[in-house]
Amino acid sequence: GQNIDQPTEMTATEGAIVQINCTYQTSGFNGLFWYQQHAGEAPTFLSYNVLDGLEEKGRFSSFLSRSKGYSYLLLKELQMKDSASYLCATMDSNYQLIWGAGTKLIIKP
Amino acid sequence: GAVVSQHPSRVICKSGTSVKIECRSLDFQATTMFWYRQFPKQSLMLMATSNEGSKATYEQGVEKDKFLINHASLTLSTLTVTSAHPEDSSFYICSARSGGVLETQYFGPGTRLLVL
Repeated sequence: GQNIDQPTEMTATEGAIVQINCTYQTSGFNGLFWYQQHAGEAPTFLSYNVLDGLEEKGRFSSFLSRSKGYSYLLLKELQMKDSASYLCATMDSNYQLIWGAGTKLIIKP
Repeated sequence: GAVVSQHPSRVICKSGTSVKIECRSLDFQATTMFWYRQFPKQSLMLMATSNEGSKATYEQGVEKDKFLINHASLTLSTLTVTSAHPEDSSFYICSARSGGVLETQYFGPGTRLLVL
């Protein structure tokens, strides 16, 4: 079957660093996406990884290990506005996005 | 980045009525549009995929006669919830993709539907 696991909720402090993990098992693999979703809003695209390694984009970085079925999203210099849910999604062999349930990130002052 | 709009943003209707939700790609041509539903604290659930000018492909368990999708142009897709019931109350989100299957999906702001 297809499965994506990520923690339900995480808490971090403003200015700190947080790493949100995602493990997946899918039929085929055509890349992994991270989206940010603020409460009551639609998701916004953060990153796409299809090759192993780290992709850095400003304060956010995303890492992928295909052999381990593992990805993480790293957020640095956390700001209060980073409080949101972070959704991990993989694209399977049919090019369909399989979504995780999301990780709710709570930032405390 | 690409902009996708949805209208209305919120709708409240009586049970038994039909509701139409529009999804527009504002600055690009969307060859493919997706309709999702999200219940509180749950993951996005894909309802259907539509390509311009052809019939939508519905996910298993989604009633195509209840959720009518029309993708009449490269910038507009509509979802009509027919004979809505309280259990249809949810957050409906569309997304659009401009090119091939590996192109990023850009999401609309979502439509919150409440059926009384």
